[in-house]
Amino acid sequence: DTAVSQTPKYLVTQMGNDKSIKCEQNLGHDTMYWYKQDSKKFLKIMFSYNNKELIINETVPNRFSPKSPDKAHLNLHINSLELGDSAVYFCASSQELSGDGYTFGSGTRLTVV
Amino acid sequence: QQQVKQSPQSLIVQKGGISIINCAYENTAFDYFPWYQQFPGKGPALLIAIRPDVSEKKEGRFTISFNKSAKQFSLHIMDSQPGDSATYFCAARNYGQNFVFGPGTRLSVLP
Repeated sequence: DTAVSQTPKYLVTQMGNDKSIKCEQNLGHDTMYWYKQDSKKFLKIMFSYNNKELIINETVPNRFSPKSPDKAHLNLHINSLELGDSAVYFCASSQELSGDGYTFGSGTRLTVV
Repeated sequence: QQQVKQSPQSLIVQKGGISIINCAYENTAFDYFPWYQQFPGKGPALLIAIRPDVSEKKEGRFTISFNKSAKQFSLHIMDSQPGDSATYFCAARNYGQNFVFGPGTRLSVLP
């Protein structure tokens, strides 16, 4: 009964590959997010998705694309992976856009070799 | 203006001591200030939060002190325990926009 679940937990892949990370929330929240946490633990917003409206952080390369089949799911697809994409990616959700208190998933550690 | 500064970067405290982490912001439109706790291998979890209309909020051993005029807020952990060892993030929100997170403080509580 995990609130925000991500799969896989670990992902090791070669440069140039395309990969996806899945996220599901069972909290009934309207908004979902993807965050990137680098090796220095800095949390950076990548996307927020609310009622089919996608808000993109302009610094995110267009190799990254979120896909939301329904309100409870927000997947992250990454094309042509680069070494610099190695990080921990967190999915999160909230009742409304920037609502009080995000609930985070446990993260996906992506390693590009 | 959208930044939240956080200090110290790391903190070592003896068991039973007080841990204090400080954050500062510039944007006066921020209206909600949460603290998140992150254990290794886990996602950040909401610990405690405050709004700018109060100067202090306490939940158990955790207290947020908020100074609106100075645009600063801090987390105090009383009677720190080894189980409190984690990375702590302060954050700020401008309603309708995404949260802005501080860079994090790695707390180690020695037994």
